[in-house]
Amino acid sequence: AQKVTQAQTEISVVEKEDVTLDCVYETRDTTYYLFWYKQPPSGELVFLIRRNSFDEQNEISGRYSWNFQKSTSSFNFTITASQVVDSAVYFCALSEFNTNAGKSTFGDGTTLTVKP
Amino acid sequence: ETGVTQTPRHLVMGMTNKKSLKCEQHLGHNAMYWYKQSAKKPLELMFVYNFKEQTENNSVPSRFSPECPNSSHLFLHLHTLQPEDSALYLCASSQDHSRLLGGYTFGSGTRLTVV
Repeated sequence: AQKVTQAQTEISVVEKEDVTLDCVYETRDTTYYLFWYKQPPSGELVFLIRRNSFDEQNEISGRYSWNFQKSTSSFNFTITASQVVDSAVYFCALSEFNTNAGKSTFGDGTTLTVKP
Repeated sequence: ETGVTQTPRHLVMGMTNKKSLKCEQHLGHNAMYWYKQSAKKPLELMFVYNFKEQTENNSVPSRFSPECPNSSHLFLHLHTLQPEDSALYLCASSQDHSRLLGGYTFGSGTRLTVV
């Protein structure tokens, strides 16, 4: 069965600090996809990134970066120089290509608060 | 403005009422989903439709009845709900349902309160 664990329930930082959100996953499938979504106070989840299981290259997009390590089944998300607008709930998700196609599993989410 | 539109944004209904939630997307996506988000619980997948065909019913009680008349529209019909069904109901769409290129596009959700 697929499972996603976000051990950090809440994180609070001061603006301009770097912060890393952890995500650990479990799957038996060899082909799978990992995602991060942001849910601001307005409620709408916004897609941030998708990685497939065959691509372990880290990715950087502006102040956001993602570290995918199959050896530790982790897909961590780092925000550099955090800003107040980064305050939101962040969800990591997993979707298996073969076993549970079409059924993404989400972690419990990490609530990030960035204080000015 | 989101590519997935959900109406209504808020809904209060009694346990004997019948109501429907509506979801619409004009992104050309072929798969649509209903998720439930309750307080202090992870997002729960309810239903998956791929090319208008239901491919997943995640053990959802029959008081929730989905309908997908075409690839652009998805409904969730509600009847005789319980107070514990109060939650944020999120609709999502994706280009396909297996590789999920581009991930999901979510709507803003319907905040449902059952009294």
